[in-house]
Amino acid sequence: KAGVTQTPRYLIKTRGQQVTLSCSPISGHRSVSWYQQTPGQGLQFLFEYFSETQRNKGNFPGRFSGRQFSNSRSEMNVSTLELGDSALYLCASREPTGDQDYGYTFGSGTRLTVV
Amino acid sequence: LAKTTQPISMDSYEGQEVNITCSHNNIATNDYITWYQQFPSQGPRFIIQGYKTKVTNEVASLFIPADRKSSTLSLPRVSLSDTAVYYCLVLNAGNNRKLIWGLGTSLAVNP
Repeated sequence: KAGVTQTPRYLIKTRGQQVTLSCSPISGHRSVSWYQQTPGQGLQFLFEYFSETQRNKGNFPGRFSGRQFSNSRSEMNVSTLELGDSALYLCASREPTGDQDYGYTFGSGTRLTVV
Repeated sequence: LAKTTQPISMDSYEGQEVNITCSHNNIATNDYITWYQQFPSQGPRFIIQGYKTKVTNEVASLFIPADRKSSTLSLPRVSLSDTAVYYCLVLNAGNNRKLIWGLGTSLAVNP
């Protein structure tokens, strides 16, 4: 079974630009979550999508947005990039069981550098 | 949302048992305690999950006291490859998946 695939693996952008990151979940997983990871802040929850609907949202500005397609693939977009947006962006997929949660499988992330 | 507190870093040697304790004073009745492991430039990987008492799998053991306000991840006979950051999480079994990740515990295993 293929794991969670994130593309691109590395990205360098200039301040003010926008960027789109992609995540393909494990086949059959309908939930996709996004996280930002920086050395000082650790893992910060961005949002979670389930069956094309945003279910939860973290405390990030509106410049951060996402969407999920009917095949469960997800994209996140960051507009008007700032230097502080430089981070490892991680995607995790899960198939909710309504019971215990074993299921967060993470991708290897996209390393975004804003210059 | 239950917040967790764990040591920032720990040092150990190959072959030793390592115990990492996490406190989660505000844990709710339907919350589960879950531990993840993360290597540099990779996403976190699930290690173990439990609700109460003790859980053991091929990788680790998880000890949870009766009041569930803390938990201890136990790694038996660590090796150099266990050098990683370990995260303790409290997961709501319901629809609220707004996870709060702390900074984790950076474990360094020395030869």
